[in-house]
Amino acid sequence: AQSVTQPDIHITVSEGASLELRCNYSYGATPYLFWYVQSPGQGLQLLLKYFSGDTLVQGIKGFEAEFKRSQSSFNLRKPSVHWSDAAEYFCAVGISNFGNEKLTFGTGTRLTIIP
Amino acid sequence: DAGVIQSPRHEVTEMGQEVTLRCKPISGHNSLFWYRQTMMRGLELLIYFNNNVPIDDSGMPEDRFSAKMPNASFSTLKIQPSEPRDSAVYFCASSLRDRGSEQYFGPGTRLTVT
Repeated sequence: AQSVTQPDIHITVSEGASLELRCNYSYGATPYLFWYVQSPGQGLQLLLKYFSGDTLVQGIKGFEAEFKRSQSSFNLRKPSVHWSDAAEYFCAVGISNFGNEKLTFGTGTRLTIIP
Repeated sequence: DAGVIQSPRHEVTEMGQEVTLRCKPISGHNSLFWYRQTMMRGLELLIYFNNNVPIDDSGMPEDRFSAKMPNASFSTLKIQPSEPRDSAVYFCASSLRDRGSEQYFGPGTRLTVT
């Protein structure tokens, strides 16, 4: 079965600094990979997704992520964070069997932004 | 599009009472998912439907939980009888049935069982 690991429970970054959130997955074939963001009291919003092709994917709000098959990673990056980026971030993996749309989510990384 | 709609947004009930959570998926989506989120266990998939048919309910914690999808635009998650350990945020999500389709989440229902 597939699994997702987000090794950082909580990260604190200064406003304007760069950000990288780590995500490692376990799956035997090429996975579908997603990053979601959850603001307090809100549902999860999709930031970006990787299906195939270019391993560097661009998302909303200035985020990007890079799929590295050799490292089984899909890290999320942003060159300069804004105070509004403070939220919880979830990495998720989907399997490539048609008809099974289940996603497996990581435990999340809480991002705090300091002025 | 209005997105995934969930009601109520907040529910406070006493132990032993029946609780019904409601979800309206995005129009045209044919997969629907129910999740539960707690601090201890994170985000858990409870059950999902394709074309109104339950496909995988292995995440439903016990017989007190049941879910239905009578038509493409409505689903319910029922807990009977409710217990304090059921307190959590329950999310509904929908997607177009396809490989790797992203799921769109509703705002959630915060359930408190006293």
